[in-house]
Amino acid sequence: AAGVIQSPRHLIKEKRETATLKCYPIPRHDTVYWYQQGPGQDPQFLISFYEKMQSDKGSIPDRFSAQQFSDYHSELNMSSLELGDSALYFCASSSYRDKDYEQYFGPGTRLTVT
Amino acid sequence: GDSVTQMEGPVTLSEEAFLTINCTYTATGYPSLFWYVQYPGEGLQLLLKATKADDKGSNKGFEATYRKETTSFHLEKGSVQVSDSAVYFCALHRGWDTGRRALTFGSGTRLQVQP
Repeated sequence: AAGVIQSPRHLIKEKRETATLKCYPIPRHDTVYWYQQGPGQDPQFLISFYEKMQSDKGSIPDRFSAQQFSDYHSELNMSSLELGDSALYFCASSSYRDKDYEQYFGPGTRLTVT
Repeated sequence: GDSVTQMEGPVTLSEEAFLTINCTYTATGYPSLFWYVQYPGEGLQLLLKATKADDKGSNKGFEATYRKETTSFHLEKGSVQVSDSAVYFCALHRGWDTGRRALTFGSGTRLQVQP
């Protein structure tokens, strides 16, 4: 079965640079979530989108922005990167139209800021 | 706000030992409850879930029962294997009708099973 795809899997950036993370949800899924997991920590919710509209917002810094496109893929844009942004970034998808609350997670993008 | 509290790890067991990882939650309404597992270097995989009180989720020998009276969702397995070594996250979802659509995770419990 198709899973959530994230790219790139690994990314190394320097401080103050920008980064773009991409997420391709499971086909027919209409909702995408972004989570950030620091070393040894639990995943923290950043932001979610349903049908290309922001549906919920968590602890996303103002330096970050995200959007969902017409094909339902999503991109997380991160600017003015800081060392503390080094983390594993997960994307998850679910289907609101099917009333399925289960979130399917991608493998994550490991961002290292040096 | 919503919160999930898990027992601290690491939990170290010998192979074939009985496992319990405690999880309690605070949330309004009737959340759905989940256990996710994260193997080293990998993403989160759903292990099991329960969507209403007294439901029992089960998968791969793991079980958890949704106890509304004690607001708990403890994870159990009768006989652990070395391959069960991973980090286990308890999580809740408060449902679409409340407008809160993200998962709230506990802090995770690392399980180490020794041969």
